[in-house]
Amino acid sequence: EDQVTQSPEALRLQEGESSSLNCSYTVSGLRGLFWYRQDPGKGPEFLFTLYSAGEEKEKERLKATLTKKESFLHITAPKPEDSATYLCAVQAWYNQGGKLIFGQGTELSVKP
Amino acid sequence: GAGVSQSPRYKVAKRGQDVALRCDPISGHVSLFWYQQALGQGPEFLTYFQNEAQLDKSGLPSDRFFAERPEGSVSTLKIQRTQQEDSAVYLCASSQSGGLETQYFGPGTRLLVL
Repeated sequence: EDQVTQSPEALRLQEGESSSLNCSYTVSGLRGLFWYRQDPGKGPEFLFTLYSAGEEKEKERLKATLTKKESFLHITAPKPEDSATYLCAVQAWYNQGGKLIFGQGTELSVKP
Repeated sequence: GAGVSQSPRYKVAKRGQDVALRCDPISGHVSLFWYQQALGQGPEFLTYFQNEAQLDKSGLPSDRFFAERPEGSVSTLKIQRTQQEDSAVYLCASSQSGGLETQYFGPGTRLLVL
């Protein structure tokens, strides 16, 4: 069964304190791995898509990496505005339509 | 351009009532998805349309859930005889052509069944 597990469930950081969020996945043929950010009361906002092991993508203070079993979202020198829930999702090759399988999310809080 | 919009944003229903949730995708997007998000959880797939064709409805939890997209644009998710366990946020997403295309999400409809 395809599955995505994110850790930790919650993370509290001080402003400027770098850290990483983990996304472990089990899928029958990974087609793509997606990272989204979700603010309270809003829909998920797309951040990155990773396609193959070894790939990395960056956007401002965020950097996503991918291995054959997991993905990391590295946050460098976070700011309070980075506080949100970060969702990881996978898409399998057999789901030609694009169904996403999500993890439960990591709730990040950055204090000034 | 405009993003995905959903209405209503909030809906309170009495147990046993029928509800209809609307999704307006990004103009020109061929693929449309519905997800259900319980409190503190990640979204879970419900169903997928390519144009007006419903190609995957494997995530619909029961036959009380029904979705349609008759003209290949606006979609409606209908829940009949609502139960308390249906309380959740219902998210709609659209993508240009499905597959690995980025899915863009709407703000969701928060449904509370009393």
